[in-house]
Amino acid sequence: AQTVTQSQPEMSVQEAETVTLSCTYDTSESDYYLFWYKQPPSRQMILVIRQEAYKQQNATENRFSVNFQKAAKSFSLKISDSQLGDAAMYFCAYRSTNAGGTSYGKLTFGQGTILTVHP
Amino acid sequence: EAQVTQNPRYLITVTGKKLTVTCSQNMNHEYMSWYRQDPGLGLRQIYYSMNVEVTDKGDVPEGYKVSRKEKRNFPLILESPSPNQTSLYFCASSLYADSYEQYFGPGTRLTVT
Repeated sequence: AQTVTQSQPEMSVQEAETVTLSCTYDTSESDYYLFWYKQPPSRQMILVIRQEAYKQQNATENRFSVNFQKAAKSFSLKISDSQLGDAAMYFCAYRSTNAGGTSYGKLTFGQGTILTVHP
Repeated sequence: EAQVTQNPRYLITVTGKKLTVTCSQNMNHEYMSWYRQDPGLGLRQIYYSMNVEVTDKGDVPEGYKVSRKEKRNFPLILESPSPNQTSLYFCASSLYADSYEQYFGPGTRLTVT
């Protein structure tokens, strides 16, 4: 079974600065998806960015980018020019694409990191 | 508008009183699932469904039931709720099990006293 670990329960950043959230995962599969979700106080799960494991190029979405290290099984999220609206809980998640596996289709989440943005 | 809806959004109930949380999607998705979110544990899968009449247990299925009689609906049933089922629940759907994109409902906050 896959596991996802977010070792930073809380992080803080000054507005306009850059912050990096860490995520590591464990899997024996070679093909999968990785995601970062944002959960603001409204509790809605909002997709921030996603990465396909077979793609070596790191995904970027405006101020959000990832550092995907497949061999190290690491998937960190960098938020540049942090804004007050970035304050939220962030979850790293893994999705299996192995049709023969018991975890097929399941999203496996990390424990979450609470990000505080200081004005 | 493509969406996943859940009802109710908030529910306070007592131990042992059967309840159902509904989930509906309007995107003709085959794959649907339920997750619960607890502090320090992230989200964990309760049950999932690959298609109509095809359901299976996730990581934490004890105390829950599901059904998938129609493609759009995937209700979560707690036949005898207990306080340890107090949690935030999410329904999610995707076109297929290995689809890149998964859509989440708005969440249901359940408190069992």
